[in-house]
Amino acid sequence: AQSVAQPEDQVNVAEGNPLTVKCTYSVSGNPYLFWYVQYPNRGLQFLLKYITGDNLVKGSYGFEAEFNKSQTSFHLKKPSALVSDSALYFCAVPGSARQLTFGSGTQLTVLP
Amino acid sequence: EAQVTQNPRYLITVTGKKLTVTCSQNMNHEYMSWYRQDPGLGLRQIYYSMNVEVTDKGDVPEGYKVSRKEKRNFPLILESPSPNQTSLYFCASSLSIGRLSTEAFFGQGTRLTVV
Repeated sequence: AQSVAQPEDQVNVAEGNPLTVKCTYSVSGNPYLFWYVQYPNRGLQFLLKYITGDNLVKGSYGFEAEFNKSQTSFHLKKPSALVSDSALYFCAVPGSARQLTFGSGTQLTVLP
Repeated sequence: EAQVTQNPRYLITVTGKKLTVTCSQNMNHEYMSWYRQDPGLGLRQIYYSMNVEVTDKGDVPEGYKVSRKEKRNFPLILESPSPNQTSLYFCASSLSIGRLSTEAFFGQGTRLTVV
């Protein structure tokens, strides 16, 4: 079964510092991986996806994600965090007959 | 504007009183799903639909029903709600799933409280 894990429930970072939100995956075959963000009182929004090719994927709002096959990881990154980046972040992987299987989520708080 | 619309946004109901949460998408997507979100558990899929009249169970289908009579609509039905169905519910649609998965579009969510 395809699955992803987010080892951190909460990540705190100071504004202007780089941020990383971690995700590891377990999939058969070549992985397709997604990141979604949920702002307070909003639905999830697509950030970026990895299908194949470059290991560094660029997405919305200045976010990028690094795919690492040897470590089975797909960490979300941003060089300089903003207070407005504070949100709940989900890593996801497509299931065989279902839309998406999500990780448990990581709450990112950017401190001013 | 591409969107998924859920109604209502907030709902408080009593145990056993049937309710329906509506979901509509304007993107002509074939694939639609319902998820529930609970703290520490992420999003769990309740039901999904790959096309009109084609639905199947997700990870947590007990206590829920769905129907897909039209491509744009995918209502979630709780025939006899119980307090353990208190949760935040999201409808989602996408053009494709599985290995060809495209981004999913989510509704704003429905916060349901069953007392």
